[in-house]
Amino acid sequence: KAGVTQTPRYLIKTRGQQVTLSCSPISGHRSVSWYQQTPGQGLQFLFEYFSETQRNKGNFPGRFSGRQFSNSRSEMNVSTLELGDSALYLCASSLDLQIETQYFGPGTRLLVL
Amino acid sequence: EDKVVQSPLSLVVHEGDTVTLNCSYEVTNFRSLLWYKQEKKAPTFLFMLTSSGIEKKSGRLSSILDKKELFSILNITATQTGDSAVYLCAVVISGTYKYIFGTGTRLKVLA
Repeated sequence: KAGVTQTPRYLIKTRGQQVTLSCSPISGHRSVSWYQQTPGQGLQFLFEYFSETQRNKGNFPGRFSGRQFSNSRSEMNVSTLELGDSALYLCASSLDLQIETQYFGPGTRLLVL
Repeated sequence: EDKVVQSPLSLVVHEGDTVTLNCSYEVTNFRSLLWYKQEKKAPTFLFMLTSSGIEKKSGRLSSILDKKELFSILNITATQTGDSAVYLCAVVISGTYKYIFGTGTRLKVLA
């Protein structure tokens, strides 16, 4: 079975721009979560989607948004980028909602200049 | 505020040494605690612990949870250079199933 895939793997943007990141979960997995990882803050939960609905949300500003499609693929969008948004964005999938075992993708490294 | 604290922040050992990584937590509604290994990008799942005092074991790695004292340890015996990674601890909150991650312990094993 193919693992979680994320595209693109690397991205460079400038302040004020917006960005869309994509995540394809493991086949059959219906829950997708997004995390931001920075050296200072570690892994921080952004949001979780299941059946095209956001089920959980972390403490991030409204500039961070996401969605899930009927095939469970998910996208996250960050608008009006700030320097502090530079991070590794990780997506994780699990079989169902409320199943703790998550499988992570390789991440998208975003650099905001 | 829910928080997970890992210690030490980093550790350098030699091959063959035994290491113990610590994870303590303060959360309102504990459901489970998970350990992950992150080598380059994607964290990979190691263990999930839900009950106190029951050791989970996989090869040279083992982990145990103490729900009374609110901590878990991850032990690695006979360390190898391939064990070099960041080890992450996460607590899952009951009800919401949100994950709260610690900042990780960076382990470097020297040949």
